[in-house]
Amino acid sequence: DSGVTQTPKHLITATGQRVTLRCSPRSGDLSVYWYQQSLDQGLQFLIQYYNGEERAKGNILERFSAQQFPDLHSELNLSSLELGDSALYFCASSVPEANYGYTFGSGTRLTVV
Amino acid sequence: QKEVEQDPGPLSVPEGAIVSLNCTYSNSAFQYFMWYRQYSRKGPELLMYTYSSGNKEDGRFTAQVDKSSKYISLFIRDSQPSDSATYLCAMIATSGTYKYIFGTGTRLKVLA
Repeated sequence: DSGVTQTPKHLITATGQRVTLRCSPRSGDLSVYWYQQSLDQGLQFLIQYYNGEERAKGNILERFSAQQFPDLHSELNLSSLELGDSALYFCASSVPEANYGYTFGSGTRLTVV
Repeated sequence: QKEVEQDPGPLSVPEGAIVSLNCTYSNSAFQYFMWYRQYSRKGPELLMYTYSSGNKEDGRFTAQVDKSSKYISLFIRDSQPSDSATYLCAMIATSGTYKYIFGTGTRLKVLA
């Protein structure tokens, strides 16, 4: 157990729907990162939050949004889902400005049908 | 051209072999270099990290960075079937725009 908790583990939904993925960071970590992993694209950075504030944005679509709550858990909202959004979504956390590793959760596997 | 290039494999080796995994990069601002291991259906797990050039050893694993060639390697000695996983390199640039970039990963199979 890495200490980063992601729920749900699996999600199957239809095109056009909206889903929410949840992440609880490791105790003491203030930064939360969201990544999308698909077979052909590898790990793609979506967005980072630090202590409730958005810190950096990557290749995140306008249909996707995220937030970090006062208790530091984070949610990634995916709306108007398309078949191409099917992927593994990982959350990672780190201590402030850790210039080395992130701790990843086990991911949420999203399948859009 | 991607900033970080990594051969996707798969790389199949017999148990006990020495494995060499590599990444090349184009951005000279990268200063921190990491290797992650990802088992099937799991999140990536940090294996090793190095700062700037040089070697770092941890048990059967050795990470090597050659900044002059923009080339990093991970060597696994006495490979075991339990080493079968996808290995991702990652790099951080802290000067200028902060960047944390992952390679696409190399799939390794160690055959018993």
